[in-house]
Amino acid sequence: EADIYQTPRYLVIGTGKKITLECSQTMGHDKMYWYQQDPGMELHLIHYSYGVNSTEKGDLSSESTVSRIRTEHFPLTLESARPSHTSQYLCASSPGNSYEQYFGPGTRLTVT
Amino acid sequence: AQSVTQLGSHVSVSEGALVLLRCNYSSSVPPYLFWYVQYPNQGLQLLLKYTSAATLVKGINGFEAEFKKSETSFHLTKPSAHMSDAAEYFCAVSPGRFSSASKIIFGSGTRLSIRP
Repeated sequence: EADIYQTPRYLVIGTGKKITLECSQTMGHDKMYWYQQDPGMELHLIHYSYGVNSTEKGDLSSESTVSRIRTEHFPLTLESARPSHTSQYLCASSPGNSYEQYFGPGTRLTVT
Repeated sequence: AQSVTQLGSHVSVSEGALVLLRCNYSSSVPPYLFWYVQYPNQGLQLLLKYTSAATLVKGINGFEAEFKKSETSFHLTKPSAHMSDAAEYFCAVSPGRFSSASKIIFGSGTRLSIRP
């Protein structure tokens, strides 16, 4: 079973605050991903990484940024949160020789 | 380019009945196909995958799916529904080895409800 962790699980924060959503995996996977998912809706890829020091924007434009300084860690940052950022954020990883992705439990973000 | 269409945003079946969740894909290269399940307030869990081997793929929790190239379909089935199967199900397609990033395109999801 995949070991991928996200913290916090739930976050309620005021407009204008800076937030960082944490994602860590213990499997040594090279590839990591961030998805945004609104309730009852499909997943949209917002960022991905091939490996350390590699980050790319996904298919859905996002005001968030990511970094990949260590293989196991792929945090997502919002410099100034807005109500439109309210959503669930899912982190995933994939090993270099495979194509399926393993997901963390998600962070449900509410910006008031 | 790749895309996935899941027919029916909500499917309701009786406990013990056949479960059939429909998925059609479009892909310009031989696809890799997946079914994921998502329980409330959780991430996605891989149910099964097709990666160009056997066309009938068996997954966890008694689910299986059949890849039909002529119909561009990858429908998910389970012979007998259980209450614990109630969840959101996502079909997904990937270009597999044709993409270095292993990106996956997800369908819009089908919510499965089980009636007692």
